[in-house]
Amino acid sequence: GAVVSQHPSWVICKSGTSVKIECRSLDFQATTMFWYRQFPKQSLMLMATSNEGSKATYEQGVEKDKFLINHASLTLSTLTVTSAHPEDSSFYICSARLPGVDSPLHFGNGTRLTVT
Amino acid sequence: AQSVTQLDSQVPVFEEAPVELRCNYSSSVSVYLFWYVQYPNQGLQLLLKYLSGSTLFKGINGFEAEFNKSQTSFHLRKPSVHISDTAEYFCAVSVAISVNTPLVFGKGTRLSVIA
Repeated sequence: GAVVSQHPSWVICKSGTSVKIECRSLDFQATTMFWYRQFPKQSLMLMATSNEGSKATYEQGVEKDKFLINHASLTLSTLTVTSAHPEDSSFYICSARLPGVDSPLHFGNGTRLTVT
Repeated sequence: AQSVTQLDSQVPVFEEAPVELRCNYSSSVSVYLFWYVQYPNQGLQLLLKYLSGSTLFKGINGFEAEFNKSQTSFHLRKPSVHISDTAEYFCAVSVAISVNTPLVFGKGTRLSVIA
């Protein structure tokens, strides 16, 4: 079954508004979660690493004031797209790794954001 | 830094035919390799992983991958594809397996199975 839950699965918002996306680890504690962005027919680009209890680490070129990440608990990370614009429309996917030496990354089902 | 190259952006194949999706990686250190599958508007599902040891790895849905260190490749294969295998396939690399190590993805290969 799913180990990472993401909500909502899709959202449509007007330009200038903010949208919050939630990522939850199910039945395990995730001190670190990763946020990826995927443009149509393209690969996943790492946006940021979300760290529980501390500031997120953003990849080069990602605006931290636009993409606010909060990891307030060991099972929840949120990504808020602030003052969204049409160019922010994309597929956002979170992921986390189960504890354990050989554990791979597990992904949420993604959130399709459309900004009109 | 490590990188992944998926040589084919699209691979059409007839149902029940074999398929190979190619993946090459570049890294100055030992790596861990993964194949993920993505169905439309969904997240990624792990197909299989290479951590160490053997060279041939079996995953879910009848897929397998062969690790070739000399050619720095990790090609994905299936002897007989089904319509339901139509999806996007991503090869990914990581230099460590730890809770705070992300994956670097290739650009993906769209597998289209034709009836």
